[in-house]
Amino acid sequence: GAGVSQSPSNKVTEKGKDVELRCDPISGHTALYWYRQSLGQGLEFLIYFQGNSAPDKSGLPSDRFSAERTGGSVSTLTIQRTQQEDSAVYLCASSYGGTPGSETQYFGPGTRLLVL
Amino acid sequence: GENVEQHPSTLSVQEGDSAVIKCTYSDSASNYFPWYKQELGKGPQLIIDIRSNVGEKKDQRIAVTLNKTAKHFSLHITETQPEDSAVYFCAASPTMAGGSYIPTFGRGTSLIVHP
Repeated sequence: GAGVSQSPSNKVTEKGKDVELRCDPISGHTALYWYRQSLGQGLEFLIYFQGNSAPDKSGLPSDRFSAERTGGSVSTLTIQRTQQEDSAVYLCASSYGGTPGSETQYFGPGTRLLVL
Repeated sequence: GENVEQHPSTLSVQEGDSAVIKCTYSDSASNYFPWYKQELGKGPQLIIDIRSNVGEKKDQRIAVTLNKTAKHFSLHITETQPEDSAVYFCAASPTMAGGSYIPTFGRGTSLIVHP
């Protein structure tokens, strides 16, 4: 079946511009995650959505970052007033949920963001 | 919160050799330990996982061991092949209130298998 998809695959923007990154999770997955991966670095947690619960935003690095998930499916990560240090790969993952046996995360291919 | 350390950051082996990647974690409540493989230009993909009620798990050429007392777990790849070359990430997480699950990832190990 279809996996997690992300768009765009690549995004080049100018410093100060806003960008929106989209994630389409696997159908039926209630949990959705956003991560940031800088060159050669690990996965930095940004935000977590689980069903209808309030999202866990504890990983967002500044108030320029926000995310929403509409209808429990598609999610959009928005970065306002982009800075050069925002350049990274933004990964989205989804899973069935947090119950034992359903934690496996399925990752999308990522959006490569370059801020000039 | 949880802290996961992963070593080595880079591992170079000859085809056919074994490779071992080690991780330590800090939160004794962590009970789920997945390993992900990330190939160039792709997202990470789960290759094996282990839960805290199991000490070892094998799947063909890969195995994971868990020592809860020492709070460390390891990935073992035997008979390495060039296609095993990738970045490998370990992760650890407790299951939190309400069933929330937010894993903490290690910084990754770049495995290079030379033909």
